[in-house]
Amino acid sequence: KAGVTQTPRYLIKTRGQQVTLSCSPISGHRSVSWYQQTPGQGLQFLFEYFSETQRNKGNFPGRFSGRQFSNSRSEMNVSTLELGDSALYLCASSFRDESSETQYFGPGTRLLVL
Amino acid sequence: KQEVTQIPAALSVPEGENLVLNCSFTDSAIYNLQWFRQDPGKGLTSLLLIQSSQREQTSGRLNASLDKSSGRSTLYIAASQPGDSATYLCAVRFNTGGFKTIFGAGTRLFVKA
Repeated sequence: KAGVTQTPRYLIKTRGQQVTLSCSPISGHRSVSWYQQTPGQGLQFLFEYFSETQRNKGNFPGRFSGRQFSNSRSEMNVSTLELGDSALYLCASSFRDESSETQYFGPGTRLLVL
Repeated sequence: KQEVTQIPAALSVPEGENLVLNCSFTDSAIYNLQWFRQDPGKGLTSLLLIQSSQREQTSGRLNASLDKSSGRSTLYIAASQPGDSATYLCAVRFNTGGFKTIFGAGTRLFVKA
């Protein structure tokens, strides 16, 4: 079974631009979560989607948004990029049954804002 | 406020040593706790998952325990090897007003050959 895939793997943007990152979950997984990882703040939760609905949201400004499609693929968008948005963006998919839910992470998209 | 703390922040041990990594969390309303490994510049690899109803999980040389009442989890690594060198992250999935996963800052482990 293929793992979680994220595209692109690397991205360079300039301040003020916007960016869209994509995540394809493991087949059959309906939940997708997004995280931002920086050396200073560590891994921080951005948001989680389940069946096309945002289920939870972290403490990030409204410039960060996301969506999930009917095939469970998810995108996150960051508008008006700032230098501090440079980070590794990780996506995780999970499948919840009655007794368990394990998150599986993709390799991440490394974003550099100049 | 839900917080996850990992100590120590860094650890250097000789090969073959047994070691314990610690994770503590506020708020006992957890759904599960997951230990991950992250190699430099890479994504996260899941090591062990403990459901809130469980006390421990084992996989090979790894054993993770969970004590919800004290808000603690430990990851025990037996007979450490240089290939174990990585950052180990504890992730707690809380279930209060919706699910949210909070990560600790990680423990950077270096195993010397």
